[in-house]
Amino acid sequence: QKEVEQNSGPLSVPEGAIASLNCTYSDRVSQSFFWYRQYSGKSPELIMSIYSNGDKEDGRFTAQLNKASQYVSLLIRDSQPSDSATYLCAVNRRGGGADGLTFGKGTHLIIQP
Amino acid sequence: EPEVTQTPSHQVTQMGQEVILRCVPISNHLYFYWYRQILGQKVEFLVSFYNNEISEKSEIFDDQFSVERPDGSNFTLKIRSTKLEDSAMYFCASSEGMTGVDEKLFFGSGTQLSVL
Repeated sequence: QKEVEQNSGPLSVPEGAIASLNCTYSDRVSQSFFWYRQYSGKSPELIMSIYSNGDKEDGRFTAQLNKASQYVSLLIRDSQPSDSATYLCAVNRRGGGADGLTFGKGTHLIIQP
Repeated sequence: EPEVTQTPSHQVTQMGQEVILRCVPISNHLYFYWYRQILGQKVEFLVSFYNNEISEKSEIFDDQFSVERPDGSNFTLKIRSTKLEDSAMYFCASSEGMTGVDEKLFFGSGTQLSVL
């Protein structure tokens, strides 16, 4: 059974600080990892994808992957109130193909002005 | 930016009735998906579709579910005999290439299905 685990939160972070979101996954053969943002009542929106161990940066966002520990994280620098949302971690078993993503339940992030 | 379009936005049906949820994926995309999200729960994969056939399906996607691409633009999810537990937000998604190879998965805004 493929599982993706996240702390549901809420995680409260002051505006301008770094928000750190974590995710673990159980399927060791997982190849691709994604972070989605979901505002209440809306559809998921892709923020970052990562496939190799290490860090990947895109603007204020940094994704980190450690396959040995089966751990993915997302850092949000200079957090803004508009970053308040639920952040979903998702994994894909293979590096390609029309595979479905396995999602975690999400971490609810609140950025305090 | 191009978007995935889903209709209707809300669907209310009686238990045991058939429902068809409709989606228009982005025009140059080749891979199509249905996901669902029960209120307060995680997003769950139902089925993927490529080259006019199902590529992968989850345990949720049993014989009550079917998908179809009836023409060059629409992609539908049919639930033959709805149950109370089918109440959820259903998301259609599409991608130009295979997910996991730096391909972005675009989600539609969803159809909220309520089974009474």
